[in-house]
Order: sequence, then structure tokens, then C-alpha cells
Amino acid sequence: TQLLEQSPQFLSIQEGENLTVYCNSSSVFSSLQWYRQEPGEGPVLLVTVVTGGEVKKLKRLTFQFGDARKDSSLHITAAQTGDTGLYLCARTGGFKTIFGAGTRLFVKA
Amino acid sequence: ETGVTQSPTHLIKTRGQQVTLRCSSQSGHNTVSWYQQALGQGPQFIFQYYREEENGRGNFPPRFSGLQFPNYSSELNVNALELDDSALYLCASSLALGSNTGELFFGEGSRLTVL
Repeated sequence: TQLLEQSPQFLSIQEGENLTVYCNSSSVFSSLQWYRQEPGEGPVLLVTVVTGGEVKKLKRLTFQFGDARKDSSLHITAAQTGDTGLYLCARTGGFKTIFGAGTRLFVKA
Repeated sequence: ETGVTQSPTHLIKTRGQQVTLRCSSQSGHNTVSWYQQALGQGPQFIFQYYREEENGRGNFPPRFSGLQFPNYSSELNVNALELDDSALYLCASSLALGSNTGELFFGEGSRLTVL
């Protein structure tokens, strides 16, 4: 059972387009992480957000944590083919990290 | 500094058999977590080991068991394999700080197919 809902499940866009993916929960996160997983590899951490309303930027990627700390979004500007992959949000706190089902992004050249 | 390595990368088993998957954690990390990732899904938490003791467990039956060794490497054992056990098994190491696990560093996974 996934406690985190990610949307959309799948996204196929052209290179250069912008996109936003979402992560929602019915309960409050103590902290939230975004990972990217490329085919044949394990997930790699992109960012950790802790404070409600926090915005972090990583080059063309912008991460936002909701004020109530129940939701988060990832916005990619001018997507590139190298952005293709599975984007996973994860709630942390305590001994285990729980992942959502992910958004599978495919960027076409 | 070496990253997380897992072996084998791929394997095929039949129903009822047993399998052992191995993981070497990143240098300096004292915690290992195991995840099962079915096709099209996110990783599902199996269990975590900290200083050779199981530190928490997800919703997996007892036929999923593990070990952590003094050098912090780890094994995942699955007995009486079922078809639904077919998945990518991911090992992640981390440095536990207080009660938080922090960033997870994943290996490339072991892809298990059960026929």
C-alpha cells in the first residue's frame, strides 16, 4: 500500500516543454525527498525539503514543499532527453523511508 | 570511496526455491535497507539493519529474512519463492544520525525472476 500519491503516473513530452509532477499525502511529512531513477539503476537523491513552504532549485528543477507539509511538487523547465526517468517522492522520518509509486517521465527529442 | 554494490545483478529461480542476495554498503555507512520494486511501482520497504540488528520491518512475511555483518555488508534471503516475488531488489546504505536515516544511497539492484 502506497501512502504517497504521485501524479501523473506517466508523462510523455517534447524536449523544451515544461512540466510539473505532484506528490500528496493525507498526513504531515516530517521531511520529504525526491529521487530520480534511470533504467537499470537505483534511485538517486535529488533534494530533501523539511520546512513548510520551502522552495529549492537544482538547475532547471524547482521543488516546492506545501505550507501544511502534506504535498510537494517538482517543476522542470525546458525538459531535456536526459531528464527521462522515474521520479519518486519519499517520506522520511524514523527508521524507514517510504516511497510513492512514481511518475515515469519520457522526454522525446 | 566505493558506492553500494549488489550481487548478483540478474537471476532466475523456480517456485519453492530459496535465494540469497548480497549487498556491500558505501564506505562509512552503518545502516542497510532493503526494498522490493515490482515492475511499474515504487520501492517497497522490506527491512532495515543497523549495527547487525533488524531495526524495522515492512509488510513482508517471515520468509524474507536478512543479515548484516560486522563490516556492514548485508544479505537478503527469501525462502519458498513465489511467482509474485519476481522484482528488482534494491539495497540502500545510509549513515544513521539519531532517529533519522537521512539520504539513501542505492545499488543498481538484483533482478529476480521466479518461474
